[in-house]
Amino acid sequence: EAGVAQSPRYKIIEKRQSVAFWCNPISGHATLYWYQQILGQGPKLLIQFQNNGVVDDSQLPKDRFSAERLKGVDSTLKIQPAKLEDSAVYLCASSFGGNTIYFGEGSWLTVV
Amino acid sequence: AQRVTQPEKLLSVFKGAPVELKCNYSYSGSPELFWYVQYSRQRLQLLLRHISRESIKGFTADLNKGETSFHLKKPFAQEEDSAMYYCALLPGGGADGLTFGKGTHLIIQP
Repeated sequence: EAGVAQSPRYKIIEKRQSVAFWCNPISGHATLYWYQQILGQGPKLLIQFQNNGVVDDSQLPKDRFSAERLKGVDSTLKIQPAKLEDSAVYLCASSFGGNTIYFGEGSWLTVV
Repeated sequence: AQRVTQPEKLLSVFKGAPVELKCNYSYSGSPELFWYVQYSRQRLQLLLRHISRESIKGFTADLNKGETSFHLKKPFAQEEDSAMYYCALLPGGGADGLTFGKGTHLIIQP
């Protein structure tokens, strides 16, 4: 079975620029998550979707971050404008029943 | 709100020695606990979960509700166990995502 796919794998942008990350979850997984992992820390949940609806976005900095999952499958996470502290790995994950969560390889963002 | 604490950022042991990675949590309900592992240049992957009560790659973890702990143990460490290990908590009902600890970098010396 194919895993969670993410792109791009690496991105370097200047502060105040924008960036978008794409995620394709495992087929049939209704729940999709975006996590942010800053160097030296564990992943932090940014947003959780159930199909195309948002379940939890309490830790998403909504002034600059946005995410959507319009058709309940793929998802995009956007940052605009980026700040230096947004440098991190952005992990997409998905699950079928909510218990076992499968992660993608992550998108590495460096903001300079 | 729930919290997961992994007190050791780095743990170095010799090959063949026992390993114990500590994890403590705080949560008012009945959570599910997991250990995730990330080998060098690989994605984060599930190692084991407490409800399965299984041993994976020689690792076991027992949920101690009295001490709110979920320590990961292995009696004899192998070099291929070197990796980042994250303890994670899923609130009861599974409606929310995982809350992770900061991780422990395990290094197995030959």
